[in-house]
Amino acid sequence: SQKIEQNSEALNIQEGKTATLTCNYTNYSPAYLQWYRQDPGRGPVFLLLIRENEKEKRKERLKVTFDTTLKQSLFHITASQPADSATYLCALGARWGGYNKLIFGAGTRLAVHP
Amino acid sequence: DVKVTQSSRYLVKRTGEKVFLECVQDMDHENMFWYRQDPGLGLRLIYFSYDVKMKEKGDIPEGYSVSREKKERFSLILESASTNQTSMYLCASSPGGGRGTEAFFGQGTRLTVV
Repeated sequence: SQKIEQNSEALNIQEGKTATLTCNYTNYSPAYLQWYRQDPGRGPVFLLLIRENEKEKRKERLKVTFDTTLKQSLFHITASQPADSATYLCALGARWGGYNKLIFGAGTRLAVHP
Repeated sequence: DVKVTQSSRYLVKRTGEKVFLECVQDMDHENMFWYRQDPGLGLRLIYFSYDVKMKEKGDIPEGYSVSREKKERFSLILESASTNQTSMYLCASSPGGGRGTEAFFGQGTRLTVV
C-alpha cells in the first residue's frame, strides 16, 4: 500500500542546533515533494519544493534533500530558534492521470527550547 | 496578498443535518482541494477540482460531495452529517499546470457533529 511516514514523536532540540526531520514514502513515484509548516489552529504554510531530478534545495536556514532511490526526504533547519517550533508536514506530488495530487504525511512536531 | 477564505472557523451540527462548507480564493487558481485533518492521520484528500464544474474524488470521498460552479468557489457538502465526520476541514488552492506549485490553505473549519 502507499504510505508517507514522518516521525510521530515530537522532536525536541536546543536553540541554535540543527533540526532534522525525516519523510519516507513507499509505493509512490512523486514528481516533486513539498514541505509545509503548520501552527496550532492554522492552515499549513508552504516552505520549500524539490523536484524528482533535484538532490538538494536551500532557502535561508532551511535545506531539503530528496533521495528517490531511498524514497526519503530530509528537512533541516539550521541555527534553530524557538519561533521555529511548529508541526512540519511533507507532501508528495503523486501522479494521477494528467495531474499531480498532493498527498500529505501526518507531520512531525518540532519544539525548540531556549 | 493571496487569500483562501473558509466561511466558518467553528461549526457545530447535529447528526443527519446537511452541512455546507464554503471556500473562496482570490488568486484565480485553477486547482482547489478539500482535506480533512485528524490527529495522527495528517491531511487526507476528500475531493479536488482542476476546473470549473470539474471534480475528482480523493482518497476519502464517502459521505461527501462538492460543487464548483465558479472558479473562485469550491464547496464541500456533507449530505447527512455523522459523528465520524467531526474533524478539521482545510481548503486549499494552487495554480494549474500540474508542475508542483505551492498550495495555499485557508484557516480551517473545525466541525463538530453531535
